[in-house]
Amino acid sequence: QVQLQQSGPRLVKPSQTLSLTCAISGDSVSSNSVAWNWVRQTPSRGLEWLGRTVYRSSWIQEYAFSVEGRMTINADTSKNQFSLQLRSVTPEDTAIYYCTKMSTTTGGHDSWGQGTLVTVSS
Amino acid sequence: QMTQSPFSLSASVGDRVTITCRASQSISKSLNWYQQKPGEAPKLLIYAASTLQSGVPSRFSGGGSGTDFTLTISSLQPEDVATYSCQQSYGTPLTFGRGTKVEIK
Repeated sequence: QVQLQQSGPRLVKPSQTLSLTCAISGDSVSSNSVAWNWVRQTPSRGLEWLGRTVYRSSWIQEYAFSVEGRMTINADTSKNQFSLQLRSVTPEDTAIYYCTKMSTTTGGHDSWGQGTLVTVSS
Repeated sequence: QMTQSPFSLSASVGDRVTITCRASQSISKSLNWYQQKPGEAPKLLIYAASTLQSGVPSRFSGGGSGTDFTLTISSLQPEDVATYSCQQSYGTPLTFGRGTKVEIK
C-alpha cells in the first residue's frame, strides 16, 4: 500500500516561495506506470490540479496554466520523494495542498497525502 | 471543463442517488469519481467511468462515456455523507468538477 507523507511550512509571506515535500513509501518515484501530482483545494475554486512529474527514461513535468512559470516539481530518487515550489505567492494561493499518485493505466489518483493547509499572509 | 449537478442533495437512507457530470468535450471513458469526507483527502471510488476501485462497496456504480457521466449510489447509507467530485484524465490540464454534497434527510 502506497503512503504519501507531506511536509513543509504552513505559513508563507506574500511574494515568497511556497515549498512542500511528499515522501513516498510503498512505491518508487521513478516508477514508469505512475505520475506524481500536486493538487490544491479552496472553497472558492474546489479541487485544482497544479502539475505532475513522470519518469519515462527521463523526467517530464507538466503544469496547469494558472501556475505555469511560477511552479516547479522536482523528484529526488535518493530520498524517494517529490517536491513542489510555488514562487511569488499571493493570498490567492492560500489552500489545502495535496500530493497524489496517479496510475497511468487507470488515470485515477489512487493515493493522496494527508493535505497541508498553507496560508499566505504577512 | 467539468460540470457537475446537483450542487447538493438530501436523501433518505436506502434511497437511490444519482449525480451527473458533463464534460465540455468528449473524454471517451477517462472519467474518475472521488468521495471526500470533511477533514479528509479525497478517495478514489471509480475510474475509467465504470470500474470500481478495490475496496469500494458495490452500492456505488458509474456509467457514461463521451461527455455525460453518472455516479449512482444504489442504497444510500449514513456513511456515504460526503462530497463527490468527478475528474477527467483524458488530457492535461486534469480538471475536476466542483463537487456534489450528499446529506441524509
